[in-house]
Amino acid sequence: QKEVEQDPGPLSVPEGAIVSLNCTYSNSAFQYFMWYRQYSRKGPELLMYTYSSGNKEDGRFTAQVDKSSKYISLFIRDSQPSDSATYLCAMSIKISSGSARQLTFGSGTQLTVLP
Amino acid sequence: GAVVSQHPSWVICKSGTSVKIECRSLDFQATTMFWYRQFPKQSLMLMATSNEGSKATYEQGVEKDKFLINHASLTLSTLTVTSAHPEDSSFYICSASYGTGTGYTFGSGTRLTVV
Repeated sequence: QKEVEQDPGPLSVPEGAIVSLNCTYSNSAFQYFMWYRQYSRKGPELLMYTYSSGNKEDGRFTAQVDKSSKYISLFIRDSQPSDSATYLCAMSIKISSGSARQLTFGSGTQLTVLP
Repeated sequence: GAVVSQHPSWVICKSGTSVKIECRSLDFQATTMFWYRQFPKQSLMLMATSNEGSKATYEQGVEKDKFLINHASLTLSTLTVTSAHPEDSSFYICSASYGTGTGYTFGSGTRLTVV
C-alpha cells in the first residue's frame, strides 16, 4: 500500500464548475499537508499548505484536512481553463531536528477545465 | 522570493556520456536540497536528499555512483548523471528547503533524453 493515495484521473470539468481533488494517507506521522500545481514540463508550484485539521481558504482554493480519517481535499471554485494542470498532494514529517522535512507525494490528478 | 533556478531545462546526450544539472537558490540559502525524477504521467520520486557540506542520502534503489550529487555551497547543488543510458531519460526536478514548515520551492525541471 502506498503511503499516499491519489486518484490520477484524468478529470474533465466545464468552466465554472467546482472541482474536488482528494488524497488519503496511511502514515499518521504526517504533520504537514500541501497541494501543488504542476503544468506540463514544469516544476510544481505550491498552492496551499495546511497543518491542522479543518479548512483553509485562499481565493478560489480551499484545502481541507481530516486527520482522524487521514483524508485531505482541495476544492477549486469557479474553475478556469488556466487551472488545467496536474495537482499533487504532498505530505511531510519531521526527519530530524533542524533538518528539512522530506515530502511524500501523491501520484497527481490531471485536471482539464473545458471552456 | 525563494526562487530556485534549474539548468538546463532540457538536454539530449549520447548514451555513455555524463550530464550535469544545476540548481541554484537565487535569493535564499538552501540548507537542504532534494532531487526528484518524474516519469510521464507519474508523480515525483525522491532520489536523494543533500545537506550543504555533507554527503547526500540516497533513496533505496538509487545508484549513488551513477547519480552524483554535490551540495558544496548553500546556493548550489548539482546532479550528475554518469554514463547515461536511455533508461535514464526522465524529468529531473530539484527542490530546495529554506527552513522549517512549508519552505520548499521547486526548480523548473530538466528533461533529459539519452539517445
